[in-house]
Amino acid sequence: DIVMTQSPLYLPVTPGEPASISCRSSQSLVHSNGDNYLDWFLQKPGQSPQLLIFLGSKRASGVPDRFSGSGSGTDFTLRISRVEADDVGVYYCMQALQTPLTFGGGTKVDIK
Amino acid sequence: QVRLQESGPGLVKPSGTLSLTCAVSGGSISSNKWWSWVRQPPGKGLEWIGEISHSGNTNYNPSLKGRLTISVDKSKDQFSLKLYSVTAADTAVYYCARGVGNGGSSDAFDIWGQGTMVTVSS
Repeated sequence: DIVMTQSPLYLPVTPGEPASISCRSSQSLVHSNGDNYLDWFLQKPGQSPQLLIFLGSKRASGVPDRFSGSGSGTDFTLRISRVEADDVGVYYCMQALQTPLTFGGGTKVDIK
Repeated sequence: QVRLQESGPGLVKPSGTLSLTCAVSGGSISSNKWWSWVRQPPGKGLEWIGEISHSGNTNYNPSLKGRLTISVDKSKDQFSLKLYSVTAADTAVYYCARGVGNGGSSDAFDIWGQGTMVTVSS
């Protein structure tokens, strides 16, 4: 199985400031088609996860452009250009290159 | 707007079978998507359980060691999960989700149900 490792585990943020979360995979997530099969989800308190980024850098429908995904191979980053209070929750990365699909352990983002 | 809604017993006895259904509304389950199950033990992270395509192809998590069946009922626009021989370790919130992608499995989960808590206890 591909192991997904996120850091940090906890990220206190200041509204209006940028924030970033790292995700590393135990093997490359580059598909033969050139895409990176890495997704990002946000699980707000008491809610289901919601898709933010798919295929490494593509924003899902309705996701604000302050969220961006980057990286390739085994190292990926989710960036929030200007954090808002509504961005709190647990962020998960997930690899979709091969089954079993596997998630990172999560990064909890909270307001300082 | 496609919506997913899980339903099923909230309490299952050890060694019993966990059975959940996910109803798809606002769209057809026969569309070219994957229909998936993900679970989350209390206070823990997400675990992919498995999925089924509109044509009946399945992908299962080997960690569930053959205890799993996912099926689809196109006539009712719903899909189901059966997990056999459950233990306390199977206690979790179970989510159904729609998978998108053109390959042999989901590329991403773009729509999720609200989740349903299942407790395994005598």
